[in-house]
Amino acid sequence: AQTVTQSQPEMSVQEAETVTLSCTYDTSENNYYLFWYKQPPSRQMILVIRQEAYKQQNATENRFSVNFQKAAKSFSLKISDSQLGDTAMYFCAFMRTPPNAGGTSYGKLTFGQGTILTVHP
Amino acid sequence: KAGVTQTPRYLIKTRGQQVTLSCSPISGHRSVSWYQQTPGQGLQFLFEYFSETQRNKGNFPGRFSGRQFSNSRSEMNVSTLELGDSALYLCASTTRGRQDGSNTEAFFGQGTRLTVV
Repeated sequence: AQTVTQSQPEMSVQEAETVTLSCTYDTSENNYYLFWYKQPPSRQMILVIRQEAYKQQNATENRFSVNFQKAAKSFSLKISDSQLGDTAMYFCAFMRTPPNAGGTSYGKLTFGQGTILTVHP
Repeated sequence: KAGVTQTPRYLIKTRGQQVTLSCSPISGHRSVSWYQQTPGQGLQFLFEYFSETQRNKGNFPGRFSGRQFSNSRSEMNVSTLELGDSALYLCASTTRGRQDGSNTEAFFGQGTRLTVV
């Protein structure tokens, strides 16, 4: 079974500064997918960034980037130039493998406990 | 392209009653997963359906059940409601994205807030 651990229940950062959220996971799989989701007060889960385990290059999406260390099973999220709108709960999530056309599916997500990020003006 | 639609958005039920929640995935998505979110337990996986078959099930009692229809819409049912079933129930539809698995993403609905009194 896979487990995902976020060791920081709460983080805060000043607007325009950089913050890093930590995530570690445990799996015996070699190919899998990792995600960071953001959940603002509206409760809508929004994908921030994804990383395919077979890709060595760290994923980036504008101000968001990850530090993916496969051997260490670590997947941290860096938010640069933090904005007030980044205030939210952030979840790290693991997916074993995506749905395929062969009739099987492993779209299940295993989530960490979440990190509440507050961006201060 | 319409997103994932969950209905109803809010529900108040009495202990002992049963409830049915609905989820319509994004058109073309065949995988639907359900999650329970509570302050104490966080996000917990309930079950996943693909092509009308349950593929995975989380560690929940048999009072929690679900199904998927031929149009990929899914329902989950909770019978004999308990106070502890009060939670936000999230549905996600997942797509593989490209053939090599890149662009894989789970899209979430806005959830159904269930309150059991």
